[in-house]
Amino acid sequence: KAGVTQTPRYLIKTRGQQVTLSCSPISGHRSVSWYQQTPGQGLQFLFEYFSETQRNKGNFPGRFSGRQFSNSRSEMNVSTLELGDSALYLCASSLEVATDTQYFGPGTRLTVL
Amino acid sequence: QKEVEQDPGPLSVPEGAIVSLNCTYSNSAFQYFMWYRQYSRKGPELLMYTYSSGNKEDGRFTAQVDKSSKYISLFIRDSQPSDSATYLCGITGGGNKLTFGTGTQLKVEL
Repeated sequence: KAGVTQTPRYLIKTRGQQVTLSCSPISGHRSVSWYQQTPGQGLQFLFEYFSETQRNKGNFPGRFSGRQFSNSRSEMNVSTLELGDSALYLCASSLEVATDTQYFGPGTRLTVL
Repeated sequence: QKEVEQDPGPLSVPEGAIVSLNCTYSNSAFQYFMWYRQYSRKGPELLMYTYSSGNKEDGRFTAQVDKSSKYISLFIRDSQPSDSATYLCGITGGGNKLTFGTGTQLKVEL
């Protein structure tokens, strides 16, 4: 079974721009979660989508948003990029129930100049 | 105080050593405990998942949970250079929101 895939793997943007990242979950998985990983803050939860609805949300500003499509694929968007948004953005998928194991993709490394 | 505390290391051990990695947490609602391994420039990979106090063993890895002390550990026996990575504890109260420790960087030397 193919794992979680994320595109693109690397991105360079400038301050003020916006960016869209994509995640394809493992086949059959309906829950997709997004995390931001930085050296200073570690891995932090952004949000989770299930059946095209946001089910959980972390403590990030409204510039960070996401959506999920009917095939469970998910996108996250960051608007008005700031230097501090430079990070590895990780997507994780799980089957359905909250306690199901989350499997991570390789991440998208975003650099904001 | 962070909800999950983890010694960032780095931790350097000789090949064959027993490694002990630890996390403490503050929220009693946390019930599900995971250990992930992350190699450089890769996503985290699940190693162990447990939800009850006590020990769970899988090959060279043992996960230990003490809910009364809010303390979890991962032991690696007969450590190998290929175990060199960052180890993250991830904890949840049941929703799909994992709270992670900052990760412990481990280096196993020949």
